[in-house]
Amino acid sequence: GESVGLHLPTLSVQEGDNSIINCAYSNSASDYFIWYKQESGKGPQFIIDIRSNMDKRQGQRVTVLLNKTVKHLSLQIAATQPGDSAVYFCAENMTPAGAAGNKLTFGGGTRVLVKP
Amino acid sequence: NAGVTQTPKFRVLKTGQSMTLLCAQDMNHEYMYWYRQDPGMGLRLIHYSVGEGTTAKGEVPDGYNVSRLKKQNFLLGLESAAPSQTSVYFCASSYRLNTEAFFGQGTRLTVV
Repeated sequence: GESVGLHLPTLSVQEGDNSIINCAYSNSASDYFIWYKQESGKGPQFIIDIRSNMDKRQGQRVTVLLNKTVKHLSLQIAATQPGDSAVYFCAENMTPAGAAGNKLTFGGGTRVLVKP
Repeated sequence: NAGVTQTPKFRVLKTGQSMTLLCAQDMNHEYMYWYRQDPGMGLRLIHYSVGEGTTAKGEVPDGYNVSRLKKQNFLLGLESAAPSQTSVYFCASSYRLNTEAFFGQGTRLTVV
């Protein structure tokens, strides 16, 4: 996604289907990535993270895939539920271990709407 | 555990007024952050702190000041509010720098 709020890309998903949310990152040197979920009126909530030495990481009902060749990150949500309706955004970082210049860059987000 | 708590939740200021946003965390995290979130943009870092008594500038620090006198508290100050500072402000904390962060519920600030 490219923006937050009024012009968010939107993904409509039928309840029970799988959701795939995509994120293109900009820095080929980024080596750590996070997915956050933000429900309306609330602060972002950590979902899952992945380091660049991995291609895939699974959590509870979520899977993150990392394709470093094309600088692409995706979040898959299995059996999407109404409670999954939210804005999802990715963040990228280089050198997450406290080095100088450590900076986390957030994407704009994708709105997921779950239809009953 | 309360996690990260921000006060106030909403505030309207007149141009030129000052205010302080309060953030408290009960997870004993070293790292704390202040972000702003605006339509059309992702979260942008204003200031951050790597420990008690330390602060550092983020991406958009102008017009803001911060203090971290106690490990659990991170204060964001606006000395002379401007309409461009109308935004939703989020405080966050983390165990390691720029890794999994816990966010507060946000402060919606309107400057008229």
